[in-house]
Amino acid sequence: KAGVTQTPRYLIKTRGQQVTLSCSPISGHRSVSWYQQTPGQGLQFLFEYFSETQRNKGNFPGRFSGRQFSNSRSEMNVSTLELGDSALYLCASSLEGEDTQYFGPGTRLTVL
Amino acid sequence: AQSVTQPDIHITVSEGASLELRCNYSYGATPYLFWYVQSPGQGLQLLLKYFSGDTLVQGIKGFEAEFKRSQSSFNLRKPSVHWSDAAEYFCAVGRGTGTASKLTFGTGTRLQVTL
Repeated sequence: KAGVTQTPRYLIKTRGQQVTLSCSPISGHRSVSWYQQTPGQGLQFLFEYFSETQRNKGNFPGRFSGRQFSNSRSEMNVSTLELGDSALYLCASSLEGEDTQYFGPGTRLTVL
Repeated sequence: AQSVTQPDIHITVSEGASLELRCNYSYGATPYLFWYVQSPGQGLQLLLKYFSGDTLVQGIKGFEAEFKRSQSSFNLRKPSVHWSDAAEYFCAVGRGTGTASKLTFGTGTRLQVTL
């Protein structure tokens, strides 16, 4: 079974732009979570989607948003990019009712 | 609120030596605990998990971890380290509600293996 895939793997943007990252979960997994990883803050939870609904949200500004489609694929969007948004963005999927999350390889976002 | 502490930021061991990475958690109920490994530039790979039952859990790549409720710890161990084990290791706690809502991670321990 294929793992979690994320596209693109690398992205370079400039301040003020917006960006959309994509995540395809493991087949059969309906829960998708997003995390931001930076050297200073470590791994921080952004939000979780299940059946196209946001079920949980971390402590991030409204510039960070996401959505989930009927096929469980998810996208996250960051608007008005800031230098501090440079990070590795990780997506994880899980089966309904299970706590184990399986991570994708991440998207490395660099904001110049 | 749940939290995880990994006291060791960086550990260096010789290849073939034993390894123990420390993890302490804070959680009001029975925790769901995980260890993940991350190689440079990669995502997180699940090594093992503890939900309930036997407090000694076996994982992939020869790793094991022991849950000790009295010490609020979930330390990761490996009897003989290989050079390929060099990576960053993260301990995480989940809410255990049956919904995979959120994992809280420790700050990670970077493992260096000398030959």
